Amino acid sequence: GQQVMQIPQYQHVQEGEDFTTYCNSSTTLSNIQWYKQRPGGHPVFLIQLVKSGEVKKQKRLTFQFGEAKKNSSLHITATQTTDVGTYFCAGLSNFGNEKLTFGTGTRLTIIP
Amino acid sequence: DGGITQSPKYLFRKEGQNVTLSCEQNLNHDAMYWYRQDPGQGLRLIYYSQIVNDFQKGDIAEGYSVSREKKESFPLTVTSAQKNPTAFYLCASSSLGLRTDTQYFGPGTRLTVL
Repeated sequence: GQQVMQIPQYQHVQEGEDFTTYCNSSTTLSNIQWYKQRPGGHPVFLIQLVKSGEVKKQKRLTFQFGEAKKNSSLHITATQTTDVGTYFCAGLSNFGNEKLTFGTGTRLTIIP
Repeated sequence: DGGITQSPKYLFRKEGQNVTLSCEQNLNHDAMYWYRQDPGQGLRLIYYSQIVNDFQKGDIAEGYSVSREKKESFPLTVTSAQKNPTAFYLCASSSLGLRTDTQYFGPGTRLTVL
């Protein structure tokens, strides 16, 4: 079945440093979504990417969808303490079985 | 206020007992989902429903059951057949089914089986 892997699993950064998490799918995706889950909270939708090579920005966050639509990345510039949480990608396969498959997540902690 | 509610927030049960987790949404969404999250892990799909009176098994349906008698409600029963039920359970809904739409999550229920 479809698998979506994320790396790294954990990331500790000094406040102000940049952060990147990578998402890789075993199959081609029709779209990919990103979610953020604060400690003790529930996942909250951040963005959806649909087109090959698409890049979207939300303030300090930059999201990319790979040309082959099998990978994606989330980059945060100059991290702040409010960025703490677990970031999940979730991909929808291009081939039947239209279930959103969540990645394993990257937990970001910020060192003040 | 529109949204998804799950109750209770924390639930404790003895081993061997069935327990039902509630999920209600007033977003008028057609599709609803149940996920399980274990510490340090991602979300795994238990069951989903795209229309009233119909639901499909997800990746880890064994030991769970659901019903969808009303559009607004999608309760999950954790049965005694579930070998390791202690986990964080998240309910979600979306307006266009699984295809492209955003999933909105409830606050979750943390189930502990003693």
